[in-house]
Amino acid sequence: DAKTTQPPSMDCAEGRAANLPCNHSTISGNEYVYWYRQIHSQGPQYIIHGLKNNETNEMASLIITEDRKSSTLILPHATLRDTAVYYCIVRAANSGYALNFGKGTSLLVTP
Amino acid sequence: GAVVSQHPSWVICKSGTSVKIECRSLDFQATTMFWYRQFPKQSLMLMATSNEGSKATYEQGVEKDKFLINHASLTLSTLTVTSAHPEDSSFYICSAREEAGLREQYFGPGTRLTVT
Repeated sequence: DAKTTQPPSMDCAEGRAANLPCNHSTISGNEYVYWYRQIHSQGPQYIIHGLKNNETNEMASLIITEDRKSSTLILPHATLRDTAVYYCIVRAANSGYALNFGKGTSLLVTP
Repeated sequence: GAVVSQHPSWVICKSGTSVKIECRSLDFQATTMFWYRQFPKQSLMLMATSNEGSKATYEQGVEKDKFLINHASLTLSTLTVTSAHPEDSSFYICSAREEAGLREQYFGPGTRLTVT
């Protein structure tokens, strides 16, 4: 799986959009970009994933650059409950291997 | 759908005793389950891959005789920490991989182990 790089921490005001970047310059053509988050003392929670098109679901939007070397996870209206560590993971579809978690980005949403 | 449970959610045990943690996929079958360990302020680290009906595959540095994994059915994997010591205190998380579709991984809520 390709390596990813994320900023260690970010702050966001409640109600504002949180934009979390991820670099994955060595991504291969068959690899997807996945985002998970982990709220303190809980198991990781799936957020969204995409291959090359932008994706949106009830939790977030995923914007992938045209060259696929980077992406941004957008939480459109951050709440205090969105405070968590966010992990960007690149992996091939139907991979039989475990997800490998890097250090992620610790997002703090402030009142 | 795609719910994974763990039991217990937390456990305190004395040094030298053994502790068993259960991981269940509640609404899907999982031939493969994964066990992770997470120390404070660190990321999840993969310990082992558990395959139904066969021996688990351990990551480098993880003692297979200390962390016993059994995956006897398509919905249950267990991790037994044998002769636990305080340095084994950690947050243990399992995940189960669905066998259909994109074979996504779903995570359990974790088990907090404290060894005194």
